[in-house]
Amino acid sequence: KQEVTQIPAALSVPEGENLVLNCSFTDSAIYNLQWFRQDPGKGLTSLLLIQSSQREQTSGRLNASLDKSSGRSTLYIAASQPGDSATYLCAVSPNSGYALNFGKGTSLLVTP
Amino acid sequence: SQTIHQWPATLVQPVGSPLSLECTVEGTSNPNLYWYRQAAGRGLQLLFYSVGIGQISSEVPQNLSASRPQDRQFILSSKKLLLSDSGFYLCARGVGGDTQYFGPGTRLTVL
Repeated sequence: KQEVTQIPAALSVPEGENLVLNCSFTDSAIYNLQWFRQDPGKGLTSLLLIQSSQREQTSGRLNASLDKSSGRSTLYIAASQPGDSATYLCAVSPNSGYALNFGKGTSLLVTP
Repeated sequence: SQTIHQWPATLVQPVGSPLSLECTVEGTSNPNLYWYRQAAGRGLQLLFYSVGIGQISSEVPQNLSASRPQDRQFILSSKKLLLSDSGFYLCARGVGGDTQYFGPGTRLTVL
């Protein structure tokens, strides 16, 4: 059974810092990996999707990397802003069209 | 459009009462649809998924059920709610087997 772990569970940083969120998964046979953002009481917003054949994806200040063989992914946020405060979720899919296996998320607080 | 609608947004129900949560999606036809639950202190848990009308697969045995009466409609139901059914219920759709889009969610509190 696929297990997805996210470290740290919570993180508080001052505005402007660069930060890294970590995600690990136990079964390397994945189809893709996604990073989502969830604001309190809201649904999920997809940030980045990395196919199993890719090494990284970038969108603005966000960069996600994937090391499939070691079962790890990182989400790098550059020059953090208070608006980045949210819970960040990592999820993996075993195959096309399959449901996602989620980690419990990292709760990020960026203070002004 | 990948818009997903869920209602109600919030719901407070007594133990033993019935439940019906509705999800409708816009966009391409025959989407894969999913129901997830997010309980306090736990990650998102897949409850049901559907690849077409009338086709439902259950991931977790429980007192919940799902139906897909129309291509873009997905309903989550229960005949008798339990306290443990409290949580945040999210409907999602798959797109070409890749990125899943999520609805705004329904906050269910069972008292």
